[in-house]
Amino acid sequence: NAGVTQTPKFRILKIGQSMTLQCTQDMNHNYMYWYRQDPGMGLKLIYYSVGAGITDKGEVPNGYNVSRSTTEDFPLRLELAAPSQTSVYFCAIGQPSNEKLFFGSGTQLSVL
Amino acid sequence: DQQVKQNSPSLSVQEGRISILNCDYTNSMFDYFLWYKKYPAEGPTFLISISSIKDKNEDGRFTVFLNKSAKHLSLHIVPSQPGDSAVYFCAASGNYGQNFVFGPGTRLSVLP
Repeated sequence: NAGVTQTPKFRILKIGQSMTLQCTQDMNHNYMYWYRQDPGMGLKLIYYSVGAGITDKGEVPNGYNVSRSTTEDFPLRLELAAPSQTSVYFCAIGQPSNEKLFFGSGTQLSVL
Repeated sequence: DQQVKQNSPSLSVQEGRISILNCDYTNSMFDYFLWYKKYPAEGPTFLISISSIKDKNEDGRFTVFLNKSAKHLSLHIVPSQPGDSAVYFCAASGNYGQNFVFGPGTRLSVLP
């Protein structure tokens, strides 16, 4: 039971490149979230999903896209990477009956 | 404008003493509050929570106090241990299980 698995752990991108951050869960939780954490800042919500086929924008969605075709997977897509997207990205899962979130170990992304 | 504030970026405490971490919020619609603990290179892990109908919740060495009129909560750790050294995030939600807003975190160092 791995919980929440994020890949890759580290990545360096050039400006304008694209990439997908992967998030997979084996806890059968309905809710999935993508957060970013900038130095000295709290976690800011990028996108979230309350179930397969349903996604919604969070606080900072610009420059990102998501999809949720299965309960297990919630990939985050960066289409045209910009230096402002340098951050640590966390995927999290939750249930509507439980306020706790379970987080993955994060992806550290640098855009140069 | 930050809805959840943790005004102390860092705190140092001697082992065995009490650690008190503070959190203030501005949105009166928040009704669930949580504390997460984060070690380097790991995702945040849930520590303790409190709902707005309570003013105190205890779990072992950890106690969270909520003062709704002051829009303030605090986390008490007694006694503090070196393994408690981590970054602590306060989070709030106005919709149970969704859309958590995180504070910027407080780095706690417990000195042996």
